[in-house]
Amino acid sequence: EPEVTQTPSHQVTQMGQEVILRCVPISNHLYFYWYRQILGQKVEFLVSFYNNEISEKSEIFDDQFSVERPDGSNFTLKIRSTKLEDSAMYFCASRIPPGNTIYFGEGSWLTVV
Amino acid sequence: RKEVEQDPGPFNVPEGATVAFNCTYSNSASQSFFWYRQDCRKEPKLLMSVYSSGNEDGRFTAQLNRASQYISLLIRDSKLSDSATYLCVVEGFGNQFYFGTGTSLTVIP
Repeated sequence: EPEVTQTPSHQVTQMGQEVILRCVPISNHLYFYWYRQILGQKVEFLVSFYNNEISEKSEIFDDQFSVERPDGSNFTLKIRSTKLEDSAMYFCASRIPPGNTIYFGEGSWLTVV
Repeated sequence: RKEVEQDPGPFNVPEGATVAFNCTYSNSASQSFFWYRQDCRKEPKLLMSVYSSGNEDGRFTAQLNRASQYISLLIRDSKLSDSATYLCVVEGFGNQFYFGTGTSLTVIP
């Protein structure tokens, strides 16, 4: 069964450093997402991406964050100048056009120390 | 007002019991509805889509009431392996998916 893959599965970084989380969405999917989940809290929407541009973003997704689809297969989330409160599980998700549900990767657990 | 609201539980039920979870959503224009299951520190996985006519998949039954903006999930004959957090998910404007806080279920032997 096709799946969304994410790397790394776990990353520890020092406060102030930049982090890049990588995702390979399911190959025929057209919409891509990043979500985050702080431990013990709900899954929160960060950003959606379609046709090589951001289609929606939440209040969380400020100038500290950026997304890119550099080569037609990878979909990356860059977090600049990480803060302690950025520690969370970051999920990438993808789907085919509307009407279908989204499929999640296994997540990248980010710990900022 | 939250987009999606769920009772967080926890629900602790014996094996074999029937348990029901409820969820309300705020945007009457929402079109797609889902139940996801999330195990501890794992990704959410689709359990089932929810249709207006109601749908059933084995021991699981989902219902949607558009007039009341209410979604439900019924689990019959609970198994130990059903222990997880159940997430109500609603597709909103701009292809966003809104998640409820999740309802925690523990099935006890």
